Amino acid sequence: ILNVEQSPQSLHVQEGDSTNFTCSFPSSNFYALHWYRWETAKSPEALFVMTLNGDEKKKGRISATLNTKEGYSYLYIKGSQPEDSATYLCASPPLSSGSARQLTFGSGTQLTVLP
Amino acid sequence: NAGVTQTPKFQVLKTGQSMTLQCAQDMNHEYMSWYRQDPGMGLRLIHYSVGAGITDQGEVPNGYNVSRSTTEDFPLRLLSAAPSQTSVYFCASRVRDSNGYTFGSGTRLTVV
Repeated sequence: ILNVEQSPQSLHVQEGDSTNFTCSFPSSNFYALHWYRWETAKSPEALFVMTLNGDEKKKGRISATLNTKEGYSYLYIKGSQPEDSATYLCASPPLSSGSARQLTFGSGTQLTVLP
Repeated sequence: NAGVTQTPKFQVLKTGQSMTLQCAQDMNHEYMSWYRQDPGMGLRLIHYSVGAGITDQGEVPNGYNVSRSTTEDFPLRLLSAAPSQTSVYFCASRVRDSNGYTFGSGTRLTVV
């Protein structure tokens, strides 16, 4: 993996469903993995910054895990609500950067929660 | 704290005109970055700074200049606007490597 990639591109779930999506990133020279939530007509908002292999972070019904050896992170939403509808972005320093000073963003997973 | 303040919110430019997008933060954040957001392309890094007097290029720096004379301000200059620079521009700041970005509200720029 040379860049940050996210899947799926979009997802529709019913209210109350649990869901998860994936972020893949370069595993060599890993520094940090960021998750952001971006609601329509607003600005991205930081959810988690993860730096250690095996890290798990939680904020309410949203949690994330990190595997730096294989270069992926999962974001989970338990019991999705319509207000969870947003684009979820992950970001990591590019392979060429040699530091955590710059972040490259994935193209995001657009989640729609249907009432 | 006002957070990250971007001005203007909207701007229409003619091809060849120059302008400066302003970005200011009052959180004493070391790192500041400019991103552009285009449909289907996500956020792409234009320039970034890790402190006053220090700037560097991101993925798409051509046609843009930046400077960081103070910790608070990080203006983005369009030297000679082109239609390809029509985009939404976001400024963001963070404390250091292991912290998340705080984003401004964005500037929607149209170049005709």
